[in-house]
Amino acid sequence: ETGVTQSPTHLIKTRGQQVTLRCSSQSGHNTVSWYQQALGQGPQFIFQYYREEENGRGNFPPRFSGLQFPNYSSELNVNALELDDSALYLCASSFPGLAGVTEQYFGPGTRLTVT
Amino acid sequence: DAKTTQPPSMDCAEGRAANLPCNHSTISGNEYVYWYRQIHSQGPQYIIHGLKNNETNEMASLIITEDRKSSTLILPHATLRDTAVYYCIVRSNDYKLSFGAGTTVTVRA
Repeated sequence: ETGVTQSPTHLIKTRGQQVTLRCSSQSGHNTVSWYQQALGQGPQFIFQYYREEENGRGNFPPRFSGLQFPNYSSELNVNALELDDSALYLCASSFPGLAGVTEQYFGPGTRLTVT
Repeated sequence: DAKTTQPPSMDCAEGRAANLPCNHSTISGNEYVYWYRQIHSQGPQYIIHGLKNNETNEMASLIITEDRKSSTLILPHATLRDTAVYYCIVRSNDYKLSFGAGTTVTVRA
């Protein structure tokens, strides 16, 4: 158990709809990263939020957006869902160390199915 | 971030040590070697990381060669619960983890 929680656990949406996924970070962690993991592949970095600002982004279109709140929890929003968005969405929290490199602790993920 | 090469799969006998290799020949001086594992349908779990010295914690040991071009993760006494996909990641002072395909480790009784 990492202390990172995600909701919902599973979700089924229809192509074209919008979805919001939620993540609560581990206590004391002010940084949240989101990853997408398609079936049979490794997780792919979507973006990271640090102190409520986007701190880096992977190769994902603008219809993937996010928010971080003052309590460091975070949301991932995906608009205009496509079939290829079906995946496990993972949230990871961390706290930057002195060297700026620190381990990320992952939640259990949200399984999104787009039909 | 430097790329890593891992064998796609390996088997290990329960109770024996599991040695998982990783090549990262293009690693640069400020890049760390991280290991994560992912048990089926769960989020990845942090195992260990290192820069150039060997590291040990309660889960595993990390051996990094002197030239830093390769490393080995050692699970000293593998159990059935260690069956998972193991990811070796090279990471600089950066915000993201770049996962490859990893090594599927199957521990057999």
